[in-house]
Amino acid sequence: KAGVTQTPRYLIKTRGQQVTLSCSPISGHRSVSWYQQTPGQGLQFLFEYFSETQRNKGNFPGRFSGRQFSNSRSEMNVSTLELGDSALYLCASSLIFRGEAKNIQYFGAGTRLSVL
Amino acid sequence: QKEVEQNSGPLSVPEGAIASLNCTYSDRGSQSFFWYRQYSGKSPELIMFIYSNGDKEDGRFTAQLNKASQYVSLLIRDSQPSDSATYLCAVPMNYGGSQGNLIFGKGTKLSVKP
Repeated sequence: KAGVTQTPRYLIKTRGQQVTLSCSPISGHRSVSWYQQTPGQGLQFLFEYFSETQRNKGNFPGRFSGRQFSNSRSEMNVSTLELGDSALYLCASSLIFRGEAKNIQYFGAGTRLSVL
Repeated sequence: QKEVEQNSGPLSVPEGAIASLNCTYSDRGSQSFFWYRQYSGKSPELIMFIYSNGDKEDGRFTAQLNKASQYVSLLIRDSQPSDSATYLCAVPMNYGGSQGNLIFGKGTKLSVKP
Protein backbone atom coordinates (compact mmCIF):
# COMPACT_ATOMS: atom_id res chain seq x y z
CA LYS A 1 0.00 0.00 0.00
CA ALA A 2 1.46 3.34 -1.00
CA GLY A 3 2.15 5.85 1.76
CA VAL A 4 1.37 9.53 1.88
CA THR A 5 2.87 11.26 -1.15
CA GLN A 6 3.85 14.90 -1.13
CA THR A 7 5.00 16.90 -4.11
CA PRO A 8 7.25 18.61 -4.76
CA ARG A 9 9.92 17.60 -2.27
CA TYR A 10 11.82 20.86 -2.50
CA LEU A 11 10.84 24.37 -3.51
CA ILE A 12 12.69 27.64 -3.68
CA LYS A 13 10.62 30.80 -3.94
CA THR A 14 11.15 34.49 -3.42
CA ARG A 15 9.29 36.84 -1.10
CA GLY A 16 5.91 37.89 -2.37
CA GLN A 17 5.37 34.83 -4.54
CA GLN A 18 2.77 32.18 -3.88
CA VAL A 19 3.18 28.43 -3.69
CA THR A 20 0.97 25.35 -3.92
CA LEU A 21 1.88 22.07 -2.28
CA SER A 22 0.19 18.77 -3.00
CA CYS A 23 -0.60 15.75 -0.85
CA SER A 24 -2.03 12.36 -1.80
CA PRO A 25 -3.17 10.41 1.26
CA ILE A 26 -2.97 6.69 1.85
CA SER A 27 -5.69 4.92 -0.11
CA GLY A 28 -8.89 4.87 1.93
CA HIS A 29 -7.84 7.68 4.26
CA ARG A 30 -10.27 10.57 4.14
CA SER A 31 -8.72 12.93 6.65
CA VAL A 32 -5.75 15.01 5.57
CA SER A 33 -3.90 17.35 7.92
CA TRP A 34 -1.14 19.84 7.24
CA TYR A 35 1.65 20.85 9.58
CA GLN A 36 4.52 23.32 9.46
CA GLN A 37 7.83 22.35 11.06
CA THR A 38 10.55 24.85 11.88
CA PRO A 39 13.57 24.53 14.19
CA GLY A 40 12.25 27.24 16.49
CA GLN A 41 8.55 26.42 16.70
CA GLY A 42 8.58 22.69 16.10
CA LEU A 43 5.62 20.97 14.49
CA GLN A 44 2.57 23.21 14.30
CA PHE A 45 -0.88 22.29 13.06
CA LEU A 46 -2.12 24.26 10.04
CA PHE A 47 -5.48 22.72 9.12
CA GLU A 48 -7.35 19.49 8.60
CA TYR A 49 -9.68 18.46 5.80
CA PHE A 50 -12.24 15.72 5.77
CA SER A 51 -14.70 15.04 2.94
CA GLU A 52 -13.64 18.23 1.15
CA THR A 53 -14.41 20.37 4.22
CA GLN A 54 -12.00 22.13 6.51
CA ARG A 55 -12.74 20.80 9.99
CA ASN A 56 -10.08 22.48 12.03
CA LYS A 57 -7.65 25.32 11.59
CA GLY A 58 -4.54 26.22 13.53
CA ASN A 59 -3.31 29.66 14.43
CA PHE A 60 -1.88 30.76 11.09
CA PRO A 61 -2.66 33.85 9.01
CA GLY A 62 -5.12 33.80 6.14
CA ARG A 63 -2.25 33.61 3.66
CA PHE A 64 -2.27 29.90 4.40
CA SER A 65 -5.16 28.08 2.80
CA GLY A 66 -6.01 24.64 1.59
CA ARG A 67 -8.55 22.48 -0.09
CA GLN A 68 -9.42 18.84 -0.53
CA PHE A 69 -10.72 17.14 -3.62
CA SER A 70 -13.29 14.39 -3.94
CA ASN A 71 -10.54 11.76 -4.21
CA SER A 72 -9.18 13.00 -0.82
CA ARG A 73 -6.08 14.55 -2.36
CA SER A 74 -5.30 17.88 -0.78
CA GLU A 75 -3.45 21.03 -1.66
CA MET A 76 -2.23 23.86 0.48
CA ASN A 77 -1.46 27.32 -0.78
CA VAL A 78 0.63 30.06 0.73
CA SER A 79 0.25 33.48 -0.81
CA THR A 80 2.55 36.48 -0.49
CA LEU A 81 5.42 34.43 0.85
CA GLU A 82 7.53 35.77 3.69
CA LEU A 83 11.02 34.75 4.76
CA GLY A 84 9.52 33.21 7.89
CA ASP A 85 7.50 30.77 5.81
CA SER A 86 10.66 28.79 5.13
CA ALA A 87 9.92 25.44 6.70
CA LEU A 88 9.22 21.78 6.19
CA TYR A 89 5.54 21.32 5.36
CA LEU A 90 4.20 17.95 6.33
CA CYS A 91 0.98 16.32 5.29
CA ALA A 92 -0.56 13.50 7.30
CA SER A 93 -3.52 11.26 6.58
CA SER A 94 -5.77 9.41 8.99
CA LEU A 95 -8.24 6.58 8.68
CA ILE A 96 -11.79 7.41 9.65
CA PHE A 97 -13.41 4.47 11.39
CA ARG A 98 -17.08 4.48 12.40
CA GLY A 99 -17.18 8.27 12.33
CA GLU A 100 -14.08 8.75 14.42
CA ALA A 101 -10.53 9.16 13.31
CA LYS A 102 -8.19 6.89 15.16
CA ASN A 103 -5.97 9.91 14.98
CA ILE A 104 -3.10 7.70 14.03
CA GLN A 105 -1.59 10.04 11.54
CA TYR A 106 0.75 8.82 8.86
CA PHE A 107 3.09 11.48 7.57
CA GLY A 108 4.42 12.10 4.12
CA ALA A 109 8.08 12.91 3.48
CA GLY A 110 7.30 16.61 3.42
CA THR A 111 7.98 19.55 1.15
CA ARG A 112 10.90 21.74 2.13
CA LEU A 113 10.15 25.31 1.19
CA SER A 114 12.87 27.94 1.11
CA VAL A 115 11.86 31.56 0.73
CA LEU A 116 14.63 33.89 -0.41
CA GLN B 1 -4.66 26.73 24.42
CA LYS B 2 -3.39 23.22 24.95
CA GLU B 3 0.31 22.86 25.49
CA VAL B 4 2.67 19.92 25.41
CA GLU B 5 6.06 20.27 27.05
CA GLN B 6 9.15 18.18 26.54
CA ASN B 7 12.75 18.53 27.60
CA SER B 8 14.62 19.35 24.40
CA GLY B 9 17.70 17.41 25.45
CA PRO B 10 19.91 16.16 24.09
CA LEU B 11 19.51 13.08 26.19
CA SER B 12 22.56 10.88 25.91
CA VAL B 13 22.52 7.24 27.03
CA PRO B 14 24.98 4.37 26.47
CA GLU B 15 24.04 1.47 24.26
CA GLY B 16 22.02 -1.13 26.15
CA ALA B 17 20.73 1.32 28.76
CA ILE B 18 17.14 2.43 29.34
CA ALA B 19 16.24 5.79 27.84
CA SER B 20 13.45 7.67 29.61
CA LEU B 21 11.63 10.44 27.76
CA ASN B 22 9.05 12.60 29.47
CA CYS B 23 6.18 14.79 28.37
CA THR B 24 3.71 16.94 30.31
CA TYR B 25 0.45 18.35 29.01
CA SER B 26 -1.67 21.23 30.12
CA ASP B 27 -5.24 20.08 29.46
CA ARG B 28 -6.51 17.70 32.10
CA GLY B 29 -9.26 16.59 29.72
CA SER B 30 -6.82 15.12 27.18
CA GLN B 31 -7.59 11.48 26.62
CA SER B 32 -5.13 10.09 24.10
CA PHE B 33 -1.41 10.49 23.69
CA PHE B 34 1.00 9.70 20.91
CA TRP B 35 4.73 9.22 20.62
CA TYR B 36 6.39 9.82 17.26
CA ARG B 37 10.01 9.31 16.30
CA GLN B 38 11.69 11.58 13.78
CA TYR B 39 15.09 10.87 12.33
CA SER B 40 17.07 13.84 11.10
CA GLY B 41 15.80 14.94 7.71
CA LYS B 42 12.88 12.51 7.80
CA SER B 43 9.20 12.75 8.64
CA PRO B 44 7.68 11.65 11.96
CA GLU B 45 6.64 8.02 12.35
CA LEU B 46 4.30 6.70 15.02
CA ILE B 47 5.87 4.56 17.75
CA MET B 48 3.05 4.18 20.23
CA PHE B 49 -0.24 5.60 21.38
CA ILE B 50 -1.86 5.25 24.78
CA TYR B 51 -5.36 6.03 26.03
CA SER B 52 -5.54 4.51 29.49
CA ASN B 53 -3.69 5.14 32.72
CA GLY B 54 -0.83 2.79 33.35
CA ASP B 55 1.69 1.13 31.07
CA LYS B 56 1.54 -0.06 27.50
CA GLU B 57 4.35 -2.19 26.16
CA ASP B 58 5.38 -2.86 22.57
CA GLY B 59 8.68 -4.63 22.13
CA ARG B 60 11.45 -2.50 23.63
CA PHE B 61 9.10 0.46 24.04
CA THR B 62 6.86 1.18 27.04
CA ALA B 63 4.52 4.14 27.27
CA GLN B 64 3.40 5.22 30.71
CA LEU B 65 0.46 7.51 31.35
CA ASN B 66 -0.40 9.26 34.59
CA LYS B 67 -3.47 11.44 34.08
CA ALA B 68 -3.53 12.70 37.66
CA SER B 69 -0.06 14.16 37.25
CA GLN B 70 -0.61 15.01 33.58
CA TYR B 71 2.46 13.35 32.24
CA VAL B 72 3.23 10.64 29.77
CA SER B 73 6.58 8.99 29.36
CA LEU B 74 8.31 6.70 26.90
CA LEU B 75 10.86 4.14 28.01
CA ILE B 76 13.20 2.52 25.53
CA ARG B 77 14.87 -0.60 26.88
CA ASP B 78 18.17 -1.94 25.53
CA SER B 79 18.75 1.31 23.64
CA GLN B 80 20.49 0.99 20.30
CA PRO B 81 22.40 3.59 18.25
CA SER B 82 19.58 3.27 15.70
CA ASP B 83 17.23 4.73 18.33
CA SER B 84 19.07 8.05 18.08
CA ALA B 85 16.40 10.46 16.89
CA THR B 86 14.04 13.17 18.10
CA TYR B 87 11.02 11.87 19.97
CA LEU B 88 7.81 13.87 19.74
CA CYS B 89 4.92 13.71 22.16
CA ALA B 90 1.48 14.72 20.84
CA VAL B 91 -2.11 15.09 22.02
CA PRO B 92 -5.22 15.68 19.91
CA MET B 93 -6.50 19.21 19.78
CA ASN B 94 -10.05 17.96 20.31
CA TYR B 95 -11.38 15.73 23.05
CA GLY B 96 -11.95 12.15 22.07
CA GLY B 97 -9.24 12.27 19.47
CA SER B 98 -11.88 12.12 16.82
CA GLN B 99 -10.33 14.61 14.48
CA GLY B 100 -7.06 14.61 12.67
CA ASN B 101 -5.17 17.34 14.43
CA LEU B 102 -2.39 17.02 16.94
CA ILE B 103 -0.54 19.39 19.21
CA PHE B 104 3.10 18.39 19.35
CA GLY B 105 5.77 19.06 21.90
CA LYS B 106 9.04 20.37 20.51
CA GLY B 107 10.65 17.00 20.94
CA THR B 108 13.50 15.44 22.88
CA LYS B 109 16.65 14.59 20.99
CA LEU B 110 18.01 11.21 22.04
CA SER B 111 21.57 10.12 21.37
CA VAL B 112 22.57 6.51 22.04
CA LYS B 113 26.35 6.09 22.26
CA PRO B 114 27.93 2.77 21.18
